[in-house]
Amino acid sequence: AQSVTQLGSHVSVSEGALVLLRCNYSSSVPPYLFWYVQYPNQGLQLLLKYTSAATLVKGINDFEAEFKKSETSFHLTKPSAHMSDAAEYFCAVSAEGRDDKIIFGKGTRLHILP
Amino acid sequence: SQTIHQWPATLVQPVGSPLSLECTVEGTSNPNLYWYRQAAGRGLQLLFYSVGIGQISSEVPQNLSASRPQDRQFILSSKKLLLSDSGFYLCAWSRGSDTGELFFGEGSRLTVL
Repeated sequence: AQSVTQLGSHVSVSEGALVLLRCNYSSSVPPYLFWYVQYPNQGLQLLLKYTSAATLVKGINDFEAEFKKSETSFHLTKPSAHMSDAAEYFCAVSAEGRDDKIIFGKGTRLHILP
Repeated sequence: SQTIHQWPATLVQPVGSPLSLECTVEGTSNPNLYWYRQAAGRGLQLLFYSVGIGQISSEVPQNLSASRPQDRQFILSSKKLLLSDSGFYLCAWSRGSDTGELFFGEGSRLTVL
């Protein structure tokens, strides 16, 4: 079975500072991993995904994530936070890329301090 | 390009009343369709998914049902709402090729009083 744990339900960073959102996964098969972003009162949109190719994945808006099998982690980073990055971020895992088996984490709300 | 529409955006209903949330996808054919519920601090819970007309899979037992009367239409229903049905409901679609990418609608916020 697959599962995802996001460490920290709320994270605050100053504008211009590094963003680090943590995600650890559990999977009995090689996982597909995703980060989605949700702006207030909107649906989710895909930021980036890992599908067993390059371990460092680049996404939209300068976000990137690194797959570390030894640590079972897929942390999301951005070098310099912008006010528009304030949103909720969800890490997700699926077994072998099955669309109907995507498991989402509980989400991390990112606050950007001026 | 593909778009997904979900309505109503907001709904306040009394306990025991019926529910119908609708979702339509445009610009693609034979999509996989999904209904998720989002509760604060609890992430997203998959309620139903469909791989074709009339084919519905339910992930959790509940007071809700889903139907897919047309290829690109997905409806979430209830005959009698409970307080616990309150939440943010999200419709989503995928290409069905197991890319792992879901495309979400804007969501429907349901408050049951």
